[in-house]
Amino acid sequence: DTEVTQTPKHLVMGMTNKKSLKCEQHMGHRAMYWYKQKAKKPPELMFVYSYEKLSINESVPSRFSPECPNSSLLNLHLHALQPEDSALYLCASSPQGRPGLINTGELFFGEGSRLTVL
Amino acid sequence: DAKTTQPPSMDCAEGRAANLPCNHSTISGNEYVYWYRQIHSQGPQYIIHGLKNNETNEMASLIITEDRKSSTLILPHATLRDTAVYYCIVGSQSNFGNEKLTFGTGTRLTIIP
Repeated sequence: DTEVTQTPKHLVMGMTNKKSLKCEQHMGHRAMYWYKQKAKKPPELMFVYSYEKLSINESVPSRFSPECPNSSLLNLHLHALQPEDSALYLCASSPQGRPGLINTGELFFGEGSRLTVL
Repeated sequence: DAKTTQPPSMDCAEGRAANLPCNHSTISGNEYVYWYRQIHSQGPQYIIHGLKNNETNEMASLIITEDRKSSTLILPHATLRDTAVYYCIVGSQSNFGNEKLTFGTGTRLTIIP
């Protein structure tokens, strides 16, 4: 299994809603990432988790709240979002940190969750 | 992290080699050069990476200049499925040993039949 699975694929929410994006991988990777991608722009790093601990937060507003409940799961909790937060949210994982595995520098990306905030 | 400069767009005839340049003049000694591509409406896909030496895999070749200030990704026999945005990224590892990759604006490569 070399997949990163993201759900839902599409999400529409109002500014007062609370919703979550989910990401799952079963490759034994111990680093997981959230990226945000606006239309016709490159992906922007938001958060990095390593061994279920938050290691990088790229000054993301608190209305985005990441959670890594176990090594296979990564969530992004959304609350009080703004229309400008509408974007494609990409999850990725990497084998970095997996004992005995040679670091290839490869991130495995999911297909993304397309979020629309009304 | 070092920044990269890529041409915004390129065309290549199907069956020909596609050569995508990237400048990274501020790269530091421990930073790798990574290439990813993103086909429309999909997540980015890893292609190849290198530190100093040229690298080749089943998808592409990576040529890094001796001073490491620029590199070229070569797709040896481009097909229509290679039409995508190609990102050249210079990345370092965080203190926790995981990757911190900052995507630049990329090159939109169009393969012409």
